[in-house]
Amino acid sequence: QVQPQESGPGLVETSGTLSLTCAVSGGSFSNDYWSWIRQPPGKGLEWIGQLHPSGGTYYSPSLKSRVTISVDSSKNQLSLTLRSVTAADTAVYYCARHRGYAQDYWGQGTLVTVSS
Amino acid sequence: EIVLTQSPGTLSLSPGERVTLSCRASQTISSIYLAWYQQKPDQAPRLLISGASSRATGIPDRFSGSGSGTDFTLTISRLEPEDFAVYYCQQYIPSLPGYTFGQGTKLEIK
Repeated sequence: QVQPQESGPGLVETSGTLSLTCAVSGGSFSNDYWSWIRQPPGKGLEWIGQLHPSGGTYYSPSLKSRVTISVDSSKNQLSLTLRSVTAADTAVYYCARHRGYAQDYWGQGTLVTVSS
Repeated sequence: EIVLTQSPGTLSLSPGERVTLSCRASQTISSIYLAWYQQKPDQAPRLLISGASSRATGIPDRFSGSGSGTDFTLTISRLEPEDFAVYYCQQYIPSLPGYTFGQGTKLEIK
């Protein structure tokens, strides 16, 4: 059973940097693609970006200038960094494993609130 | 940019009824790139259908997906109480590469 688990600060100051980690247990971490996806309170889903531990990182065009996704394969972890955050970045952030062209295992999500 | 439009926004139905949810793409997409998710309050989305019509592991056979080109549907043959949730369609865009979601359809108990 693949189990992603997101973690990180629940509150980030406006104009600061949001940093989250996704620790994965089970499955074969290094052989899979992984995505970060977010959901503002009461709204729909937005794909942020994806990564394969062996290389290849792709980002949403709307976030590309502010986001970095990285991996630590020795720890089965991926990370999300989002710079210059505003209230519009307040959301539940999910990490999820890809299966084909969909995401089959999701973490429970972590709420990040951006506030001054 | 290919936009996914889901309709209707909200549906009010009763357990036991049959329902069909629509997802329309602004341009033709390959069926292999279309997926459906179910999301209940305070839960992560759950993959229901990938490749437009392939049920994910453990998904009951009352859920079925179909469609091609620009028009895709998710059908629940007989609604169970646990099926009342929000449903999202998703597409993979090879030219990005990346994903976009429809805005969701909320299925509520009548």
